[in-house]
Amino acid sequence: GIQVEQSPPDLILQEGANSTLRCNFSDSVNNLQWFHQNPWGQLINLFYIPSGTKQNGRLSATTVATERYSLLYISSSQTTDSGVYFCAVGNAGNMLTFGGGTRLMVKP
Amino acid sequence: DAGVTQSPTHLIKTRGQQVTLRCSPKSGHDTVSWYQQALGQGPQFIFQYYEEEERQRGNFPDRFSGHQFPNYSSELNVNALLLGDSALYLCASSFSGQGTYGYTFGSGTRLTVV
Repeated sequence: GIQVEQSPPDLILQEGANSTLRCNFSDSVNNLQWFHQNPWGQLINLFYIPSGTKQNGRLSATTVATERYSLLYISSSQTTDSGVYFCAVGNAGNMLTFGGGTRLMVKP
Repeated sequence: DAGVTQSPTHLIKTRGQQVTLRCSPKSGHDTVSWYQQALGQGPQFIFQYYEEEERQRGNFPDRFSGHQFPNYSSELNVNALLLGDSALYLCASSFSGQGTYGYTFGSGTRLTVV
């Protein structure tokens, strides 16, 4: 099946710093989503971005489907951005394949 | 508008026992998917239910089974529990016409097998 790798696995930032999270996938996809998992376990959808670029406030994402990677940018990070960020892809059917996540800690 | 509701939130079971987890989908959603998330890992797809039938299944043994009711709610059953079944079990609901694009996740049930 399709493989999804995320980097870095762990990231510690000072509040106000910017960061870039990367997601590489092993096959062509028709669906790519970024999620944030809060401390209570809930996964919140950030972006649906199988290709192109999208922005939502301090967050933006870019997917280059032909090169099989996606990037999530977080600018002016806040302590509330802490948590785990997951990239998930789909290429057939109704399931998502998740990467291992990037664990982000933003310090005040 | 209620989101996805999962119960119970936490559960402790003994190896060899059976467990049932429950999920109520978001209003307007008719499809329920279940994922298993081991500690420190990403969620893994178990199966999806639509129109009261299992529509797709991931790489999980037959000890994992499910059911969907006419009101679209769903149950996940795990028989003969193993220590390795300890995980956060996440339910995601969606509308059949949107696929995974419209996924809404619940907060999960944390199962500990001792």
